[in-house]
Amino acid sequence: DAGITQSPRHKVTETGTPVTLRCHQTENHRYMYWYRQDPGHGLRLIHYSYGVKDTDKGEVSDGYSVSRSKTEDFLLTLESATSSQTSVYFCAISGTGLSGYTFGSGTRLTVV
Amino acid sequence: GQQVMQIPQYQHVQEGEDFTTYCNSSTTLSNIQWYKQRPGGHPVFLIQLVKSGEVKKQKRLTFQFGEAKKNSSLHITATQTTDVGTYFCADNYGGSQGNLIFGKGTKLSVKP
Repeated sequence: DAGITQSPRHKVTETGTPVTLRCHQTENHRYMYWYRQDPGHGLRLIHYSYGVKDTDKGEVSDGYSVSRSKTEDFLLTLESATSSQTSVYFCAISGTGLSGYTFGSGTRLTVV
Repeated sequence: GQQVMQIPQYQHVQEGEDFTTYCNSSTTLSNIQWYKQRPGGHPVFLIQLVKSGEVKKQKRLTFQFGEAKKNSSLHITATQTTDVGTYFCADNYGGSQGNLIFGKGTKLSVKP
């Protein structure tokens, strides 16, 4: 959807290396979220942000950290990638938290 | 924690047949949102239901929220090949901060 972009779209990395995924929005929305999507598990919340420098953990936050230094950017970092973190990662934004989310196109991450 | 159960996991229909997916919870749902994800795509917001017993329609799609707010359903009348994809329900348990918890989705395939 217009207004939210994720980068990179695809990435292959080695076990133990750090990886950072970027989510960029032009909608000036307050809320931003990182989800991972795996077969059999659906979409699970990793971390979310409710403002600049305001973040909190989601359901599957172990092994991940986030940062939000500007309204438009929300970064997801895998400090030391593991094979279990191979997944499709989606960023989402929401204006009020009570409205529907707009998702980015996703990042397919493979950890070998 | 909060869990949202979605059934069936898969549904195969002939074009023109109807389709229904159900979303259930053992606890009271807050607000239900419905999303569609096309193969290889990202989730796209369809609708949000807030009130007990609420019914909303979008062309051939009918969304219902149960009287006790413990279940919801999406019904598609006369399916078309463009309806192919995975349909997710999500409970907005986080209130004003969002935090959707997703069901695992129902994957719909339509045979022309």
